[in-house]
Amino acid sequence: KNEVEQSPQNLTAQEGEFITINCSYSVGISALHWLQQHPGGGIVSLFMLSSGKKKHGRLIATINIQEKHSSLHITASHPRDSAVYICAVRRGNKLVFGAGTILRVKS
Amino acid sequence: DARVTQTPRDKVTEMGQEVTMRCQPILGHNTVFWYRQTMMQGLELLAYFRNRAPLDDSGMPKDRFSAEMPDATLATLKIQPSEPRDSAVYFCASGSGIQETQYFGPGTRLLVL
Repeated sequence: KNEVEQSPQNLTAQEGEFITINCSYSVGISALHWLQQHPGGGIVSLFMLSSGKKKHGRLIATINIQEKHSSLHITASHPRDSAVYICAVRRGNKLVFGAGTILRVKS
Repeated sequence: DARVTQTPRDKVTEMGQEVTMRCQPILGHNTVFWYRQTMMQGLELLAYFRNRAPLDDSGMPKDRFSAEMPDATLATLKIQPSEPRDSAVYFCASGSGIQETQYFGPGTRLLVL
């Protein structure tokens, strides 16, 4: 079993839909990152969380430390949100990545 | 605006050749990371530096890979000798601390034939 599991692996949504991507991890962590990788390959760091919730525009990230689970939500999704969303957890000096969720938003 | 730059953007080389990838972190950032991304393994952390000192390079194959920061504006990742299994996209990222947001460079796409 991987240390970081993301679900779903692939997600296709209609423009305007509310989207949730999940990340579960199996060990204690000091922080969790959500990254976005665009079709061209560029990577953008969206959030870094150690507790609670963060919001940036239409993106919301939450983390439940006790349940070892984080979610990334996208409200009013748009085709430009189409990308790979990657969860990564930090344990001490180590950063362990999930396999990513491929999101496609259709207009 | 401030960005992490990486050179070269693309590199094709033959097995056994030396490859050097360069990264210029955002001015003022004291933490630099090197990542590798492949289809099979996804993203992996190879090494990172704080204030130019290597803090962790346990993700890096020691026999052929080396990472250095000759000065605060340059980080290098070297592979010698290169092998086909090293083919990947290598990303550099910088930040103002290990627990802070990381800013990624555009990556170097390496193909070893």
